[in-house]
Amino acid sequence: EVQLVESGGGLVQPGRSLRLSCTASGFTFGDYAMSWFRQAPGKGLEWVGFIRSKAYGGTTEYAASVKGRFTISRDDSKSIAYLQMNSLKTEDTAVYYCTRAPDPVVAASYFDYWGQGTLVTVSS
Amino acid sequence: QSVLTQPPSVSGAPGQRVTISCTGSSSNIGAGYDVHWYQQLPGTAPKLLIYGNSNRPSGVPDRFSGSKSGTSASLAITGLQAEDEADYYCQSYDSSLSGWEVVFGGGTKLTVL
Repeated sequence: EVQLVESGGGLVQPGRSLRLSCTASGFTFGDYAMSWFRQAPGKGLEWVGFIRSKAYGGTTEYAASVKGRFTISRDDSKSIAYLQMNSLKTEDTAVYYCTRAPDPVVAASYFDYWGQGTLVTVSS
Repeated sequence: QSVLTQPPSVSGAPGQRVTISCTGSSSNIGAGYDVHWYQQLPGTAPKLLIYGNSNRPSGVPDRFSGSKSGTSASLAITGLQAEDEADYYCQSYDSSLSGWEVVFGGGTKLTVL
């Protein structure tokens, strides 16, 4: 059974950093691209970014709203994807979801499995 | 303001059929990119409902169906059940001179009367 479990959320002050983890199980993690999404309280879904599998270069892409502040990485030996968030703003407050992308090119892919999400609150 | 436009809410009685529209433009749906749909039950993570415009993942009832035409897509739910009450989101890919991104509709809240 495919499982994605996010961790690392919490309360953080504006301007500080936070790293989220997504621990995967039930599939060969290294074969898949992984993507992060977020959902602000009471709002819709927003794509954050993704990382391709090593076979496709392990390259990353980001939404304009987080580019230069957020970094996605992966450790295939541990089946973990990371979301490093720097220079956090109050508008980054959201539930962050980790997902799997079946399409290795990713950009136009759907996302077939989602974690339960982890809440990040940016507030002073 | 979402790139894809969905009605904020729809409703229907048990057993009825409802449809949810997702309207895009020539830089996303109209450019031929696939549309995917997600169901988000209250307090839970989104779940893939339809992929590639009209395909259902294993385990999704055939009461749910998707279609796409021109710059729009639709999700249809037949034989409405109380457990279908949820938020529904369409998703696609947008590519323009200013760049590209994964895009969503703003979501549609389905109420089962």
